[in-house]
Amino acid sequence: GAVVSQHPSRVICKSGTSVKIECRSLDFQATTMFWYRQFPKQSLMLMATSNEGSKATYEQGVEKDKFLINHASLTLSTLTVTSAHPEDSSFYICSAPRNSPNYGYTFGSGTRLTVV
Amino acid sequence: KNEVEQSPQNLTAQEGEFITINCSYSVGISALHWLQQHPGGGIVSLFMLSSGKKKHGRLIATINIQEKHSSLHITASHPRDSAVYICAVGFGNEKLTFGTGTRLTIIP
Repeated sequence: GAVVSQHPSRVICKSGTSVKIECRSLDFQATTMFWYRQFPKQSLMLMATSNEGSKATYEQGVEKDKFLINHASLTLSTLTVTSAHPEDSSFYICSAPRNSPNYGYTFGSGTRLTVV
Repeated sequence: KNEVEQSPQNLTAQEGEFITINCSYSVGISALHWLQQHPGGGIVSLFMLSSGKKKHGRLIATINIQEKHSSLHITASHPRDSAVYICAVGFGNEKLTFGTGTRLTIIP
């Protein structure tokens, strides 16, 4: 149980276009979703925290107008990279806290974004 | 802010060897997690610990709250165990603080 489905797994887009990444909780309600970014051989870096029905909380240095996060339902959170540039190429992954009884975290499978 | 450190950063071992990866943190925690990240990038949650020891198959995780230290052990290691193992601290809706990861390579 407690599965988060993330799509797409890989995407290549042209500079200046926007890309939407979706994370769906399949068998539980995800009131909170964490969005991370990971550069090669580096650790996960938290970009923002989304909460269903309210505005996302962005970490320092993350442009909220560039990385649009929407969490309109208890089963879907989306990250849109707007006006993508090559430096946005990275691995993006979402994670949701699991509900009781074990309160762990479930991760999506990640999205590898390449901007050309 | 909690600092999470892992060692070693890289570990190469022969198939069958007993593996130990260490994690230390600086501030008291609610829970510590061990995660496994495969080459494709997907992350699997292996354990969540707040005290004592947990075992799942060939994996064992221990935590010493007083010493702020946790270890992940792999018995009878296998090439399919090759992955990056990440220690993280946090609980519930808290942000996770991650260690830098340990890249494990098991040679047949």
